[in-house]
Amino acid sequence: GAGVSQSPSNKVTEKGKDVELRCDPISGHTALYWYRQRLGQGLEFLIYFQGNSAPDKSGLPSDRFSAERTGESVSTLTIQRTQQEDSAVYLCASSLVAGKVTGELFFGEGSRLTVL
Amino acid sequence: GESVGLHLPTLSVQEGDNSIINCAYSNSASDYFIWYKQESGKGPQFIIDIRSNMDKRQGQRVTVLLNKTVKHLSLQIAATQPGDSAVYFCAENQAGTALIFGKGTTLSVSS
Repeated sequence: GAGVSQSPSNKVTEKGKDVELRCDPISGHTALYWYRQRLGQGLEFLIYFQGNSAPDKSGLPSDRFSAERTGESVSTLTIQRTQQEDSAVYLCASSLVAGKVTGELFFGEGSRLTVL
Repeated sequence: GESVGLHLPTLSVQEGDNSIINCAYSNSASDYFIWYKQESGKGPQFIIDIRSNMDKRQGQRVTVLLNKTVKHLSLQIAATQPGDSAVYFCAENQAGTALIFGKGTTLSVSS
């Protein structure tokens, strides 16, 4: 389809393991965001990629969290040594940004992470 | 219709009523604002947006109002329907920066 695709849709892991979450944005979208949403809570900003600019990592909660993006395509969010408090839905969104003008964000369905 | 205060986590309305969901934003430099709807188990969906050079924008059954003086944003839904039941989030940003979401409001529509 033409939407934002995330995988896996569900991931159950043991405490201490590393996980990788993948996001395929809409083709041509220069901006890509990762958010975390704990059960019943709002969207917590994690990281923002915009074209070739340095990513805004100000939302990453600890150095166990990192993300990469290859050009204007796929992004991977990596969580090392997972903890139970990392359990949440991780949402990816992309946006077509013209210059510095923000546009609508298109969200994926999220990756639900459960850390046992 | 029913109006809520600055921010309430839940709003219950009857089908056919008008709903007003409020949001206070924090950054006076923000110049873009957007409302999202999130249904259970799904990613957020765009409803309507507004830029800081406007104070009102209308869509289909929805209206967004922006009061920059008091840093307040509201979403009005006309003739609320059961399908409007969801969590509603406002978000703000300044050009070139990340879009930051506010606390959500859960709208429950009863028939």
